[in-house]
Amino acid sequence: DTGVSQDPRHKITKRGQNVTFRCDPISEHNRLYWYRQTLGQGPEFLTYFQNEAQLEKSRLLSDRFSAERPKGSFSTLEIQRTEQGDSAMYLCASSLGYRLLNTEAFFGQGTRLTVV
Amino acid sequence: GIQVEQSPPDLILQEGANSTLRCNFSDSVNNLQWFHQNPWGQLINLFYIPSGTKQNGRLSATTVATERYSLLYISSSQTTDSGVYFCAVGKNAGGTSYGKLTFGQGTILTVHP
Repeated sequence: DTGVSQDPRHKITKRGQNVTFRCDPISEHNRLYWYRQTLGQGPEFLTYFQNEAQLEKSRLLSDRFSAERPKGSFSTLEIQRTEQGDSAMYLCASSLGYRLLNTEAFFGQGTRLTVV
Repeated sequence: GIQVEQSPPDLILQEGANSTLRCNFSDSVNNLQWFHQNPWGQLINLFYIPSGTKQNGRLSATTVATERYSLLYISSSQTTDSGVYFCAVGKNAGGTSYGKLTFGQGTILTVHP
C-alpha cells in the first residue's frame, strides 16, 4: 500500500463553481478525516468518518460543504458555490481504530484549491 | 476545545546545530503526533508519542502527559530538516471524536549550510 492518496493535487476554479476532491485511505484503515489548512496556520479538522458513517462535522463545515464515504472506502469532499475564502489546502488522513483505541494517523499529499 | 501551543514560532540554525521544539497542550490527551511539513505541503509522520520517549536517528521526542507537554529534539541539523514542524494532539470526547487531531501553529525551522 502506498499510503493515503488524494486527487487532484491542485485545483483552480472560478468563484461560484462546484468542486469535488477524492481521498483514498490506507486500505485497512477504518477511520478517515478531512482537514483544511490555510497559509501560515496548522490544519483544522473538518469532518470524520468511521467506516461509512460520518460521525462528526466541524462548525467550519458550512452548508456548502458535503462529504461522503460510500462503502467505507474512498471519500469525496464537495464544495458548492465556491468562494474566495475556500482557497486552502484540503488534507485527508486515515487511521485504524476501535472506540477509545487510537492509532497513528497518516496524511495524504493534499489538494490545493485556489478560487479566483 | 483543546489548545495547543508550539514554541518557538521560528528557529534559524546553522547546519550541525541541535535544537528543541516544544508543544504545550491544555488538557489530558491520549494521542500526540509530531509531523514535518515539506515545501509541497505533505505532512510527514515523525513520531506517534502519547507518552514516553522515542528516538529515530537524529530525531527524538519526549511526551510528559501528566505535565501536558512534548518536546522534539533535532540533533546535528541538516538543510533538509528545514520546514514546518507541527505537534497535533487528540482527546476522545463524547464518544464520537475518536482520533481527531488538534494542531498547533507550528515551528518554522530554517537550517543554513
